[in-house]
Amino acid sequence: EAQVTQNPRYLITVTGKKLTVTCSQNMNHEYMSWYRQDPGLGLRQIYYSMNVEVTDKGDVPEGYKVSRKEKRNFPLILESPSPNQTSLYFCASSLSTSGRFDTQYFGPGTRLTVL
Amino acid sequence: GQQVMQIPQYQHVQEGEDFTTYCNSSTTLSNIQWYKQRPGGHPVFLIQLVKSGEVKKQKRLTFQFGEAKKNSSLHITATQTTDVGTYFCAGGDSNYQLIWGAGTKLIIKP
Repeated sequence: EAQVTQNPRYLITVTGKKLTVTCSQNMNHEYMSWYRQDPGLGLRQIYYSMNVEVTDKGDVPEGYKVSRKEKRNFPLILESPSPNQTSLYFCASSLSTSGRFDTQYFGPGTRLTVL
Repeated sequence: GQQVMQIPQYQHVQEGEDFTTYCNSSTTLSNIQWYKQRPGGHPVFLIQLVKSGEVKKQKRLTFQFGEAKKNSSLHITATQTTDVGTYFCAGGDSNYQLIWGAGTKLIIKP
């Protein structure tokens, strides 16, 4: 089944404790991205990647890191999480490097709480 | 930076009433996509519009892209409980990225 998977689905952590949210897609998509969703603000892009070893900042990259060592995986790293990073996070992928024209396929989401 | 404004933020309707959400951009968009997010779920692609003045229909849903490619709307006729969720638009910008609206939450009154 074609899908985007994220782990963990729920995470409660404390300020400053490094964490990684994994994202994997099995559709051989070139483009992957991370979003955070907060009430009233919709989806805001954190980082995106147009291909392996190519990553770029989105609208709200501060406090986050990503890597794209393999085509299928695009982990999101929070080196020192803070309470303002409490949010619902979505990973998404699309077929081509021109993200604007392709359907975005979203993972199920990761609800992160930073105490 | 480029923004896509989406209104209203919420809309309460009685089952059977119509629902409309609007998206407006300050600059010309290359395309616009619409997504639906059910409560507790993730956004799911509904449709893409590319041409100026384009209108597409999916059963009770009608999608429009403005002549100037700066605005778009989604209209649902005779809402049903299965329509509940948040509807997002996302417009393609000049940097090959999608700019997302904040979403309109459709709430069906009991």
